[in-house]
Formats: sequence, C-alpha cells, structure tokens
Amino acid sequence: AQSVTQPDIHITVSEGASLELRCNYSYGATPYLFWYVQSPGQGLQLLLKYFSGDTLVQGIKGFEAEFKRSQSSFNLRKPSVHWSDAAEYFCAVVGNDYKLSFGAGTTVTVRA
Amino acid sequence: DAMVIQNPRYQVTQFGKPVTLSCSQTLNHNVMYWYQQKSSQAPKLLFHYYDKDFNNEADTPDNFQSRRPNTSFCFLDIRSPGLGDAAMYLCATSPGISKSSYNEQFFGPGTRLTVL
Repeated sequence: AQSVTQPDIHITVSEGASLELRCNYSYGATPYLFWYVQSPGQGLQLLLKYFSGDTLVQGIKGFEAEFKRSQSSFNLRKPSVHWSDAAEYFCAVVGNDYKLSFGAGTTVTVRA
Repeated sequence: DAMVIQNPRYQVTQFGKPVTLSCSQTLNHNVMYWYQQKSSQAPKLLFHYYDKDFNNEADTPDNFQSRRPNTSFCFLDIRSPGLGDAAMYLCATSPGISKSSYNEQFFGPGTRLTVL
C-alpha cells in the first residue's frame, strides 16, 4: 500500500525567507502526488499536483514542488514566505485503490 | 462559484445524542467523501460514495452512517456520539471519471463537532 512521510512536524520561518517542506512517498508505480494547505479551522485547499510530465510543478500562492523519482520525494518550496502562509501542509499520494493517503502534516509558523 | 458547502460549521451535541452533518456540492461530481480529522492529525477517510454506491472503510465504526439522497447532497450521521468523536469532519468531492480526476478532491470548510 502507498504511504507518505513528512519528516518535519513543525517548521518556523521568518517572513520573506524561503521555505521547503519535505515529503517522501512509498508506492511501487508512478504516483499521483498532491500538496494541500489547511488554515486553522478551515478545510483543505489544493496547492498543486503531479500526475506526469514536467517534474517541476507550479501551484497557487507562489508554491512549487519537484518530483524526484530517484529519491521518492515531492518537496514543496516557496522562495519568499508571507505571514499568510502560516498553516498546516499535507502531502498526499494516490495508489491503486484510488484513495488519498495523507502524510501527518507539517505546521508552518511565520515570524515577523 | 462552484463549491462544496458544509453545514453547520460548528455543531455541539451531547454524549449519546444523534447528530447529522450536511454536505452539498454544486460541482456535479460523482464522488463524495467524508473524512474525520482530529487535532493535529491527518484527515482519516470514513467512507465515500461513487454515485449511489457506498464504500465503507474497514475501520470506520458502525456508529457512523452516511446517506446520499441525490448527487448534490451527502449526510454524515453519528448515531451515538462519544467524547472520542469530537473532531473536524471534512466533506470532499471529486469528478471520478479517471484515476487523475478521481482523486483531485475538492474539500469543504469542515464542521467542527464538540461532544459534551
């Protein structure tokens, strides 16, 4: 079965600094990968997705992610963080059962 | 705008008192999902409907039931809520036409359930 690991439970970053969130997946075939963001008390919003093709994926809110098959990774990046980026971020993978498997999430705190 | 709507946003119930959470969608998607999300945890899939076909997760307690009377609406019924059922309940939809569209899920804002 497919699974996702997000090694960092909590990251604190200064406003204007760069951000990278790590995601490692386990799946035998070509994965479908997603990053979702959840603001406090809100539902999940899709940031970006990877199905195939270009391994560098652009998303909303200035985020991008790079799929690296050799490392089984799909790390999320943003060059310059804004205070509004403080949220919880979930990486997810789809397997043969057509279900999303979420990582445990990474909480991002932005300091002024 | 097409969207997923959940009502109410906040629900308080008493221990053992049945409660129903509502989800509606204007996306005309085939698939509707219910997730339970406890504090600081990832969402956990409870069940989903593909059209009228109900698919229960193996570890979803019998206390949780669902109804989908039509394409637009889906309900989550908790027959006898316990303190451990306090959580955020998320509804999501997906087109379900192909593998890629099946799992590009669109989430509602969630209902926060408190059990007293």
